[in-house]
Amino acid sequence: DTGVSQDPRHKITKRGQNVTFRCDPISEHNRLYWYRQTLGQGPEFLTYFQNEAQLEKSRLLSDRFSAERPKGSFSTLEIQRTEQGDSAMYLCASSFGGWTLSGNTIYFGEGSWLTVV
Amino acid sequence: GNSVTQMEGPVTLSEEAFLTINCTYTATGYPSLFWYVQYPGEGLQLLLKATKADDKGSNKGFEATYRKETTSFHLEKGSVQVSDSAVYFCALRERETTGTASKLTFGTGTRLQVTL
Repeated sequence: DTGVSQDPRHKITKRGQNVTFRCDPISEHNRLYWYRQTLGQGPEFLTYFQNEAQLEKSRLLSDRFSAERPKGSFSTLEIQRTEQGDSAMYLCASSFGGWTLSGNTIYFGEGSWLTVV
Repeated sequence: GNSVTQMEGPVTLSEEAFLTINCTYTATGYPSLFWYVQYPGEGLQLLLKATKADDKGSNKGFEATYRKETTSFHLEKGSVQVSDSAVYFCALRERETTGTASKLTFGTGTRLQVTL
């Protein structure tokens, strides 16, 4: 395992459909993050897990979005009733650290591109 | 809140030219600073980082120095190559305190295009 892996890499869906993305973090990383990136912008934080606990959610994460990390390993991000505005790249990232560590590196996956038509 | 401001691109340079991409930040505490690079169609890769004032991060010929007095973390490279063409993101991460976790706050990115 050499990095964060995401699946699928690309998804085209019709408006109103549900989509799910999967993220497998680097082994032994206890922290997992989801970000969203739209064209021409930097990544924006969506949510964060420490082990299986979802500890923070951004205001960007509407009720149609749900993320899980049931066993503290892989995570899924589901978008229900997709809208055209959901078209973006969804980035997963992971890191290892405790509450008092700072500056520890966050590693990103290659992202999952979503196009809603 | 925290924010990162980068110079707008695109930046177009000839191969072997000197590169500077400006980055300034606003933060309430003492953040760690990062540069990430994104090649076409790919995710983000960490390029370099600095965790405290006056630290210099370096990697693959790129350098950036954490300047607390000017709240800046400018990216430099003495001689760019065509393969350096990518989008570069400056980011900060607050120092963690007990019971909270820190996340990355990114700038909007600067596209670099290097030509022969």
